[in-house]
This record gives sequence, structure tokens and C-alpha cells, in this order.
Amino acid sequence: AQSVAQPEDQVNVAEGNPLTVKCTYSVSGNPYLFWYVQYPNRGLQFLLKYITGDNLVKGSYGFEAEFNKSQTSFHLKKPSALVSDSALYFCAVRDSWAGLSGRDDKIIFGKGTRLHILP
Amino acid sequence: NAGVTQTPKFQVLKTGQSMTLQCAQDMNHNSMYWYRQDPGMGLRLIYYSASEGTTDKGEVPNGYNVSRLNKREFSLRLESAAPSQTSVYFCASSESSGVNYNSPLHFGNGTRLTVT
Repeated sequence: AQSVAQPEDQVNVAEGNPLTVKCTYSVSGNPYLFWYVQYPNRGLQFLLKYITGDNLVKGSYGFEAEFNKSQTSFHLKKPSALVSDSALYFCAVRDSWAGLSGRDDKIIFGKGTRLHILP
Repeated sequence: NAGVTQTPKFQVLKTGQSMTLQCAQDMNHNSMYWYRQDPGMGLRLIYYSASEGTTDKGEVPNGYNVSRLNKREFSLRLESAAPSQTSVYFCASSESSGVNYNSPLHFGNGTRLTVT
């Protein structure tokens, strides 16, 4: 069964500084990895995904994420934080073998990391 | 384009009452999901439906039932509500079959449920 860990409940970063939100995962097969953002009283919005290929993937709003297979990590990054980036961020994983093999096709989320960008 | 629509937005129930949360998507997606969001627990999968006519248990299915009425609609039913089911419930859909297996989820805006 797949699982996701986001080790930090909250991350504080000064505006203009680089930010990193950490995520590690566990799957039986190859991972499909996703980052989502949630603003207050709203559903989650898709930011970016890793399927295969380049380990650095770029997404919406200037965010990027680095896939590291040996460390089973998929950290979210941004070179220069904005106050408007303050939100709740979720990492999610899907086992790429599951649906194709007819096994469980679950998408599992981490507990979320609240990002505070300080002006 | 409405995307994923959930009703109601808010609901208060008394312990033991029943209700159905409705979800509909207009994107012709194959897969639909129900999650609950609780502080410190993140999103936990309740049930999912990989295609019309199929449903499967997620991480926390106890106390819930689901119906995939057709390709558009996926409802979540609480037969006898308990205070532990106080949560925010999100429905999501995805075009996750064949070559689109890696498509992301599209979420509704949630239903905030309180059970007293």
C-alpha cells in the first residue's frame, strides 16, 4: 500500500526567500507524484506532477518539485516566495502499477504542510 | 464549465440521523473519489470509483456507503451519523484510465458536516 509523509506541519519563510516543502513517499511500484494547494474554504488545486523523465518538474505559480528516487522524496520548491503563496500544501502519490494491473487504484495524500510567507 | 459540484455546502446533523452528500462532475471523467479532511490528519480516502459501476473502499470506509449512479454522479451516504464523522468532505474526479492514468484530481469546494 502506498503512503505519503509530510514531516513539517508548518513552514515559515520570509517573502523573497526560497522555500521548500518536504514530501517522502512509499509505493510498491513506480510512483506518480502530485502537489496540490488549498486556500481557505476551498477545494484543492493541482500544482504539478511527476510521472517520468526529468527529475525537476515545473508547475503553476512558479513552483517546481524535485523527484529523488533514492531518497523517495518529492520536495516542493520555489526560488522566491510571495505572501500570496501562504496556504496549505498537500503531496499525493499514486502507484503507477495499480490501475494498469487491476489492483487498488488509490490516490493517497499526506497530512499537509501549512506555509506561512512573512512580509 | 462547472467542474465538480458538491451539495450541500453545509449540514448539521444529530447523532443517528442519515444523509447523502451529492457530487456531480461534467468533465466526462472515469474516476471519482470521496475524501474527508480533518485537522492534523490531512485528506483521507473514504471510497473511490474507478469507473461507472464499480466502487472500492479507501482508507476510512467504516460508517459510509457510496453509489456511482452514473458516470457523472457519485454520492456518499451516512446511514447513522456519529460525532466522529464531523469533518469537511471533498469529492474529486479524474480522467484516470489508459494513457490518462496520471491525470490529476479535480476537487469540489467541499461539504462542511457537523454531527452533534
